[in-house]
Amino acid sequence: AQKVTQAQTEISVVEKEDVTLDCVYETRDTTYYLFWYKQPPSGELVFLIRRNSFDEQNEISGRYSWNFQKSTSSFNFTITASQVVDSAVYFCALSELRNSGNTPLVFGKGTRLSVIA
Amino acid sequence: AAGVIQSPRHLIKEKRETATLKCYPIPRHDTVYWYQQGPGQDPQFLISFYEKMQSDKGSIPDRFSAQQFSDYHSELNMSSLELGDSALYFCASGPGQETQYFGPGTRLLVL
Repeated sequence: AQKVTQAQTEISVVEKEDVTLDCVYETRDTTYYLFWYKQPPSGELVFLIRRNSFDEQNEISGRYSWNFQKSTSSFNFTITASQVVDSAVYFCALSELRNSGNTPLVFGKGTRLSVIA
Repeated sequence: AAGVIQSPRHLIKEKRETATLKCYPIPRHDTVYWYQQGPGQDPQFLISFYEKMQSDKGSIPDRFSAQQFSDYHSELNMSSLELGDSALYFCASGPGQETQYFGPGTRLLVL
């Protein structure tokens, strides 16, 4: 069975601090996708990044970076120089690859990030 | 770029009433997913359709049903509404084996 664990329920940081959100996953499949979504107070779910299980290359995009490590089943997300607009709930999610489209997303419980000015 | 469209955005119903939520996926996306997110919870998968056929079923109550039409839009029908059905309902669409893009959600309040 698939499972996604986000151990951090809530994090508060002061603006301009760096913050890392942790995500640990479980799956029996060898081919899967990992995602991060952002849910601001307005409620929409905004896609941030997708990683394939066979692509462990880490990525930096502006102030965002991701660290995918299959050996520890982790897919952590770092925001550098956080801003108040980064305040949101961040969800890590997993789906497995198959011929007829991906399996539905399994989400972690989410981490609520508050960035204080 | 076109996004997933959901209607209505807000809905207020009484207990035991019915509700229909609509979803218009991104053009050329062949898969539609429905999720339910209770207050303070993570989204929970309800049901999905691939090329207009039901592909997966999650924790969808028997009181709910859904279908995908020939134009690829989907509807989630909810009957005998209960207070516990109050939630944010998301539709997502995806081009097969890729990212699921979410609509803005329908916020349902059952009184």
